[in-house]
Amino acid sequence: DIQMTQSPSSLSASVGDRVTITCRASQGISNSLAWYQQKPGKAPKLLLYAASRLESGVPSRFSGSGSGTDYTLTISSLQPEDFATYYCQQYYSTPQTFGQGTKVEIK
Amino acid sequence: QVQLVESGGGLVKPGGSLRLSCAASGFTFSDYYMSWIRQAPGKGLEWVSYISSSSSYTNYADSVKGRFTISRDNAKNSLYLQMNSLRAEDTAVYYCARDSYYDSSDVLDYWGQGTLVTVSS
Repeated sequence: DIQMTQSPSSLSASVGDRVTITCRASQGISNSLAWYQQKPGKAPKLLLYAASRLESGVPSRFSGSGSGTDYTLTISSLQPEDFATYYCQQYYSTPQTFGQGTKVEIK
Repeated sequence: QVQLVESGGGLVKPGGSLRLSCAASGFTFSDYYMSWIRQAPGKGLEWVSYISSSSSYTNYADSVKGRFTISRDNAKNSLYLQMNSLRAEDTAVYYCARDSYYDSSDVLDYWGQGTLVTVSS
């Protein structure tokens, strides 16, 4: 199975900050990477797929980049509704696997 | 709009069984693969199983293989997960999700609200 490692596990930030979360795969995944946002008590929501493609309806302040084994999710200007936990997921091979999550908290 | 509504969760003793259901609406259910994903309390996400649109293909996480069975009824727009020989470590919120394939990507683009399964004596 491909292991996905996110960093940091949590971070504190203020509204308006630029936030970057990284995700590293245990082997190359050819940009087969998605990012999800999950708020407490809610289901995950798809934000990006193919490492950098924005899902319909997702604000453009979210962006993704990377290649090979290393990927990043960037929120250009953190908004109050962005405080949540973010998960990366590889769908390059079965079983699809998720990172352990990054909790973005209010500073 | 796309809706996925899970049901069937609850408290069950170790070794017991439970059947989860997921009612789909707002899209042509028979066109899509579907998946189950679970999340233990306070933990991350774990893919459990998927089933192809026509039920021809299924796949399972090693942690549930031989104990869980995924199925679907396209006439009823419903997805199921039969869970047998339940263990304490199966305690989790179980989500059903739609598998969509676009731009060469296989993503989980819609999720239900989840149903809690608690395995405890």
